[in-house]
Amino acid sequence: ETGVTQSPTHLIKTRGQQVTLRCSSQSGHNTVSWYQQALGQGPQFIFQYYREEENGRGNFPPRFSGLQFPNYSSELNVNALELDDSALYLCASSLGGLAGASGEQYFGPGTRLTVT
Amino acid sequence: SQQGEEDPQALSIQEGENATMNCSYKTSINNLQWYRQNSGRGLVHLILIRSNEREKHSGRLRVTLDTSKKSSSLLITASRAADTASYFCATGDTGTASKLTFGTGTRLQVTL
Repeated sequence: ETGVTQSPTHLIKTRGQQVTLRCSSQSGHNTVSWYQQALGQGPQFIFQYYREEENGRGNFPPRFSGLQFPNYSSELNVNALELDDSALYLCASSLGGLAGASGEQYFGPGTRLTVT
Repeated sequence: SQQGEEDPQALSIQEGENATMNCSYKTSINNLQWYRQNSGRGLVHLILIRSNEREKHSGRLRVTLDTSKKSSSLLITASRAADTASYFCATGDTGTASKLTFGTGTRLQVTL
């Protein structure tokens, strides 16, 4: 167990709807990263938050947005859901800084999102 | 996009045998990490090797890194049925955002 929790575990949404996924980071970690993992693929980086500010973004459209709270927990919001958004969404916490200390990350169990 | 490829895509061995997985990447890196994933759930960190290191050991795991060839290998010795999982390499970015770029993964099946 990594101490990183995510909710909900599973979610089914309809195309065009909006969804919010939540992540609680491991105690003492100030950085949260979100990844999307399609079936049979490796995870792809969505974005990262460090001390409540976005600190890097992957190749995802603006309808993917996020927040980090003072307790370092985080939310991932996806608007106007598309069928291709169906995936496992993983959050990972780490201890980082603006210099980008790329250390090991601790992953949560993921949220399985199905868009119909 | 994926950073690179992992080879093989799938590997089936018997318990007690060694398993070797290879990973190639495309850009300069800060570090390379290996993760394990069981049944499409969360990833578990196995080992991290920095760009200035060539080999690292952790228990039954041995990782090598060749930055000139942009490749890494993960060796699991004396495999067990519990090692059955997908294994991913991930490279740590040298830029200001500490993001991981994952490979496509190797599915390892260890049979009794």
